[in-house]
Amino acid sequence: AQKVTQAQTEISVVEKEDVTLDCVYETRDTTYYLFWYKQPPSGELVFLIRRNSFDEQNEISGRYSWNFQKSTSSFNFTITASQVVDSAVYFCALSEAHTDKLIFGTGTRLQVFP
Amino acid sequence: GAVVSQHPSRVICKSGTSVKIECRSLDFQATTMFWYRQFPKQSLMLMATSNEGSKATYEQGVEKDKFLINHASLTLSTLTVTSAHPEDSSFYICSASPGKNEQYFGPGTRLTVT
Repeated sequence: AQKVTQAQTEISVVEKEDVTLDCVYETRDTTYYLFWYKQPPSGELVFLIRRNSFDEQNEISGRYSWNFQKSTSSFNFTITASQVVDSAVYFCALSEAHTDKLIFGTGTRLQVFP
Repeated sequence: GAVVSQHPSRVICKSGTSVKIECRSLDFQATTMFWYRQFPKQSLMLMATSNEGSKATYEQGVEKDKFLINHASLTLSTLTVTSAHPEDSSFYICSASPGKNEQYFGPGTRLTVT
């Protein structure tokens, strides 16, 4: 069965600190997709990244970077030099190739203090 | 591109009444639409998957007679909460997929049943 685990429920950091949000997934499929979404207090889900299982290259987008490790079934997300505007709940999600259904992790609430 | 709208954004209704929530893909055709429910400080839980012109597929534990889903066209799906009760108060989010394991989320509808 597929499952996404985000063990960190809440993280608090001070502005300019780097922070890594962990995501571990389980799936029996060899083809699957991994996602990260940001949910600010307004509630709208903001898409951050989609990764397919065949692409293990790490990705950097501005202050955001993602580390995909198939060997440990992890897809961790790092924010460098965090800012107050990064405060939100971040969700990791998985979908298997044969279905478009998304399985969400329980989310990590990030609070960045000035 | 890939914009999904939801209407209304907030609704308050009395116990026993029905509420309809609309989800529209504005600039693409959605072969599949999904409905999620999110309780405060919890993750998104998939309620049902709907394909245009066919009956929705409900997740285990979701009452299909209470949460009526209609996917009348490739750009519109509606969720009707029938005979709403206070425990149905939640944040309802739709997403639309053009296929290829892509999903675009609407801004959500906050339902309060008094």
